[in-house]
Amino acid sequence: GAVVSQHPSWVICKSGTSVKIECRSLDFQATTMFWYRQFPKQSLMLMATSNEGSKATYEQGVEKDKFLINHASLTLSTLTVTSAHPEDSSFYICSARDPTGRESAEAFFGQGTRLTVV
Amino acid sequence: GQNIDQPTEMTATEGAIVQINCTYQTSGFNGLFWYQQHAGEAPTFLSYNVLDGLEEKGRFSSFLSRSKGYSYLLLKELQMKDSASYLCAVKDSNYQLIWGAGTKLIIKP
Repeated sequence: GAVVSQHPSWVICKSGTSVKIECRSLDFQATTMFWYRQFPKQSLMLMATSNEGSKATYEQGVEKDKFLINHASLTLSTLTVTSAHPEDSSFYICSARDPTGRESAEAFFGQGTRLTVV
Repeated sequence: GQNIDQPTEMTATEGAIVQINCTYQTSGFNGLFWYQQHAGEAPTFLSYNVLDGLEEKGRFSSFLSRSKGYSYLLLKELQMKDSASYLCAVKDSNYQLIWGAGTKLIIKP
């Protein structure tokens, strides 16, 4: 199946700093990528849909100025958590859909990034 | 609103069979997915149903009834490594994945 790589796997940062998370589709071009957040023992919550070459679409309640998304190429989307606070500590996961493959209906996930803000 | 229901937690014995149910109410339907998620890891794809019936893939099978808004994931010959959360997700009319909260499956020896 298609491969999506997410980096870093985990990061610890100080309160007030910014953190960038990268999501790459390694063997296909992803015009659309999705960013999720998952708190312990909870389901995946879609934060935003990232579209190559255009602005991301944010879900209700997600601050677009705090969670900056850039999808500059067909294989890379980035999520920057700006001015991070302890309540932003969570598991962030990206996914992409391969529109050309047999499994075009699937969402392929990155490995996830565990963010801890201290 | 859109809603996906699945049990919070289930317990089963190694070697046995377990069925995890999922009911959904969504605006449109473009397929139902089951994913496995181990603690601290990203979900991995298990199965996809878009037509009614049973899809079998090794020890795992998934069933769908669109008229009932119902699916189940059947796991046979349970192994300890099957201890994980199992997520049901439905793709709605906008092709957006709506996620259930997940079912934590505990396997006991």
